[in-house]
Amino acid sequence: SQTIHQWPATLVQPVGSPLSLECTVEGTSNPNLYWYRQAAGRGLQLLFYSVGIGQISSEVPQNLSASRPQDRQFILSSKKLLLSDSGFYLCAWSAGLSRTDTQYFGPGTRLTVL
Amino acid sequence: KNEVEQSPQNLTAQEGEFITINCSYSVGISALHWLQQHPGGGIVSLFMLSSGKKKHGRLIATINIQEKHSSLHITASHPRDSAVYICAVGKYSGGGADGLTFGKGTHLIIQP
Repeated sequence: SQTIHQWPATLVQPVGSPLSLECTVEGTSNPNLYWYRQAAGRGLQLLFYSVGIGQISSEVPQNLSASRPQDRQFILSSKKLLLSDSGFYLCAWSAGLSRTDTQYFGPGTRLTVL
Repeated sequence: KNEVEQSPQNLTAQEGEFITINCSYSVGISALHWLQQHPGGGIVSLFMLSSGKKKHGRLIATINIQEKHSSLHITASHPRDSAVYICAVGKYSGGGADGLTFGKGTHLIIQP
């Protein structure tokens, strides 16, 4: 069966520090991968998606970046965190065989920038 | 105006009541998702709809493509149904991946 992992589960970082969040998927090949953010009091927002290794599309311009160095690994990064980067970050995957594939969400990372 | 609107934002009901949560969207979609978010933040996908109606246990989801509207119903509600229910729509992004656009969620509390 397929599973999706995210780490760390929680993170407290100072403003201006770098960030690296990791997401890995097991039990499937060539998944579509997604990064979402849920800011306090706001709904979920798509940040990045990837349909293959090295292929990243950004939905919202910001100081975050994403990379996909391996088929089942998706990394969210920042060189310098802002206070507004605080939130709940969710990674998700879908099989990507059709437009109507279910998305499966990871457990999430709660990031607090101080 | 948000592309995905949910109502109500907050709903408190007594155990056993029939619950309806509504979702309206203003864009063309490939599919509509209903998600459940528990207090710890974990999200579970409940349904994915592109037409008609789906049922899973006490949960029923319907969608009217012409009216761009979907409803999530919970029959015989129970305190363990307390959660945030989120409507999300998939828009074809041209790259074969459907990034989701989310409503702000409905916070449901079922009191015993």
